[in-house]
Amino acid sequence: DAGVTQSPTHLIKTRGQQVTLRCSPISGHKSVSWYQQVLGQGPQFIFQYYEKEERGRGNFPDRFSARQFPNYSSELNVNALLLGDSALYLCASSLAAVGQPQHFGDGTRLSIL
Amino acid sequence: EDQVTQSPEALRLQEGESSSLNCSYTVSGLRGLFWYRQDPGKGPEFLFTLYSAGEEKEKERLKATLTKKESFLHITAPKPEDSATYLCAVSYGGSQGNLIFGKGTKLSVKP
Repeated sequence: DAGVTQSPTHLIKTRGQQVTLRCSPISGHKSVSWYQQVLGQGPQFIFQYYEKEERGRGNFPDRFSARQFPNYSSELNVNALLLGDSALYLCASSLAAVGQPQHFGDGTRLSIL
Repeated sequence: EDQVTQSPEALRLQEGESSSLNCSYTVSGLRGLFWYRQDPGKGPEFLFTLYSAGEEKEKERLKATLTKKESFLHITAPKPEDSATYLCAVSYGGSQGNLIFGKGTKLSVKP
């Protein structure tokens, strides 16, 4: 079975630009979460969606937004990029919104110049 | 402040030298504690879920245990292919569905 897939794998942008990252969950998983991971740190929660509704939002500015589509895939958008947004962006899916293990994709490496 | 702390930050072992990684947590209303393995340039790979104190899970050379304040990941007779960063995460009442991660333990196993 296919795991969580993310695209693109790598992305280079300049300050002030906008970016859209995409995620396809494991088949049958209705919950999708987004995390940001900087080097040497654990992933930090950005958003969770379940059944196309936002279930939670981490401590990130309004420049970050996300949505989930009827087929449960998801997009993460970041506007007005800053140098500090350079990180590995991870998507995870799970069967339920709470208590079930989350399965991660290999992420999108975003570099801001 | 709710947090998850992992120790040590880095661990170097010889092949066959068993050891343990620690994950302590201060959240209340634990809904699950999760262990992941992360290789460089990859996403975290799910290993175990523990839900209640006293629970244990095993997979090959790895064994995870849980108490009311901490979890241990025991590695028995490690091999070089066990080298990776091991991440601990918790889900609790205040986090709704999202995971709170520790910073990880970077394990290196030398032949």
